[in-house]
Amino acid sequence: VQLQESGPGLVKPSETLSLTCTVSGYSISSGYYWDWIRQPPGKGLEWIGSISHSGNTYYNPSLKSRVTISVDTSKNQFSLKLSSVAAADTAVYYCARETILSRGVDYWGQGTLVTVSS
Amino acid sequence: QSVLTQPPSASGTPGQGVTISCSGSSSDIGSNTVSWYQQLPGTAPKLLIYSNNQRPSGVPDRFSGSKSGTSASLAISGLQSEDEADYCCAAWDDTLNGLVFGGGTKLTVL
Repeated sequence: VQLQESGPGLVKPSETLSLTCTVSGYSISSGYYWDWIRQPPGKGLEWIGSISHSGNTYYNPSLKSRVTISVDTSKNQFSLKLSSVAAADTAVYYCARETILSRGVDYWGQGTLVTVSS
Repeated sequence: QSVLTQPPSASGTPGQGVTISCSGSSSDIGSNTVSWYQQLPGTAPKLLIYSNNQRPSGVPDRFSGSKSGTSASLAISGLQSEDEADYCCAAWDDTLNGLVFGGGTKLTVL
């Protein structure tokens, strides 16, 4: 199983951050949760949200008003949109696979740094 | 500020053992299983422990996890230089209805 994030590395304040995760070696529609997790420079991990193989979404309450996660099973991809970004949203963004029973995150993408700056 | 509480740092000498703690509440660790992650500098986290004490295939048995009440621990025995990394705990939170992480513990092998 491999996951790969893609998208712009620089986003202007107040705009929308958009990232896509391409999954290989496993079909998204077969199961698991598919997560977005971020890590600001020098800080800890923060769960952004997840989408199930059936399309149900779960968001971090602190980001819920600005986050949309969607899935495209035909391309075996899932995506993140984070609106109205600010400097505090600068982070390495990871896409990952989360197991249903234990909620352990067993596969991670390599991460992509997104900087919010004008 | 992270929901789960970890000490910011820990250290040990090669061959020694070290334990890293993770403290939570009744809605997270107290109600759900704990996972642990190892993050080497500049790399993505790697799953070390899931379901409190289970190791994924390929993780050495020098790494072990335990949970009691609203706290969990990661024990590393026979420290090696390559164990120098950040270690982070996580659990599902029933109140937030989301995954919560600890702030991470930086392990130094002296």
